[in-house]
Amino acid sequence: AQTVTQSQPEMSVQEAETVTLSCTYDTSESDYYLFWYKQPPSRQMILVIRQEAYKQQNATENRFSVNFQKAAKSFSLKISDSQLGDAAMYFCALQGGSEKLVFGKGTKLTVNP
Amino acid sequence: DTGVSQDPRHKITKRGQNVTFRCDPISEHNRLYWYRQTLGQGPEFLTYFQNEAQLEKSRLLSDRFSAERPKGSFSTLEIQRTEQGDSAMYLCASLPGDELHEQYFGPGTRLTVT
Repeated sequence: AQTVTQSQPEMSVQEAETVTLSCTYDTSESDYYLFWYKQPPSRQMILVIRQEAYKQQNATENRFSVNFQKAAKSFSLKISDSQLGDAAMYFCALQGGSEKLVFGKGTKLTVNP
Repeated sequence: DTGVSQDPRHKITKRGQNVTFRCDPISEHNRLYWYRQTLGQGPEFLTYFQNEAQLEKSRLLSDRFSAERPKGSFSTLEIQRTEQGDSAMYLCASLPGDELHEQYFGPGTRLTVT
């Protein structure tokens, strides 16, 4: 079975500061993908960043980057220069062979002005 | 590309009634997924289709739930004899089947069973 664990139910950050959201996962598959999705209040889920497990290089998308530690099965998200619009629920998700997503419980991020 | 749409956005029903939700994926996306998200939780997989074929169903999908995707386009999710525990957000996502593996989510249908 595949599992995803997000141990931080809530996080807060000051505007323009950096915050890191944690995620650990477990899978027996060798080929998989990891994602961070953002779900703003009352709005739909959108992709923030993806990481292919076979790639050693950490993915980066503008202010968002990941720290992918395959051996430790860890996949954290770093948000730099936080903006008010970054406030949302953030979900870590694992995708295996069937391409269904297994999500963590989420981390609620608050950005303080 | 108008994105994934879902209808209705909100549904309030009485326990025991049947409800049906519709999902229109992005055109030419051959895979379509249904998830359920309860308050304070991440989405949980229910079922998925590749074109019109339903390829996998979660154990969460009891016999009161049925999903279809006729002609491989839109999909419907029906819940019969609704229970209060069915109250949740039902999310639909579609996937083009390319190498990027990104699922595009709809806005969801929020079901409240009273």
